[in-house]
Amino acid sequence: GAGVSQSPSNKVTEKGKDVELRCDPISGHTALYWYRQRLGQGLEFLIYFQGNSAPDKSGLPSDRFSAERTGESVSTLTIQRTQQEDSAVYLCASSPHSTNEKLFFGSGTQLSVL
Amino acid sequence: GEDVEQSLFLSVREGDSSVINCTYTDSSSTYLYWYKQEPGAGLQLLTYIFSNMDMKQDQRLTVLLNKKDKHLSLRIADTQTGDSAIYFCAEADSWGKLQFGAGTQVVVTP
Repeated sequence: GAGVSQSPSNKVTEKGKDVELRCDPISGHTALYWYRQRLGQGLEFLIYFQGNSAPDKSGLPSDRFSAERTGESVSTLTIQRTQQEDSAVYLCASSPHSTNEKLFFGSGTQLSVL
Repeated sequence: GEDVEQSLFLSVREGDSSVINCTYTDSSSTYLYWYKQEPGAGLQLLTYIFSNMDMKQDQRLTVLLNKKDKHLSLRIADTQTGDSAIYFCAEADSWGKLQFGAGTQVVVTP
């Protein structure tokens, strides 16, 4: 596709279960970001991938959160033992390069933890 | 507290101009952005300005940057109902990582 694609668009899960969110960036984009948006709040940076460099994980809120990216393609964000406070929209974005290039966002995954 | 601050709500009449304000704290920011989020949709980049510029105009949008005061504003001329959305201000650090404000909900009334 032409844009950043995220799946699923909605996910409802029970507290304590693990979830995996997927992001397909725009082809050729070397930089990929995950953000979280809680209801009524601004975007919160989670993790950043740039090419084959070690990812910047400084925004991950706990060790229950992890993300992987294979080369410059698909990324998955995994949340283990989900908690109710994990409920949010998880947005993925990609950009052609790393520095100060405009970001292209996906439509997000709405995660609801019951 | 947040590094990027915005007012939370703005109501404007159709046809009037809207002005959304934002303050940021990172003096090393090189780019500043405005994003628009419509209900149920992802973020859309509206416009951006490089930090050595004071103003940028793009059709109905005008961005003003006061680097001394670390103040950014977005003016929307002739506001339309389709402009109703949440508008996010963001600053980029040297790695391109963005810091967003909480967003300003703009409601356009007939």
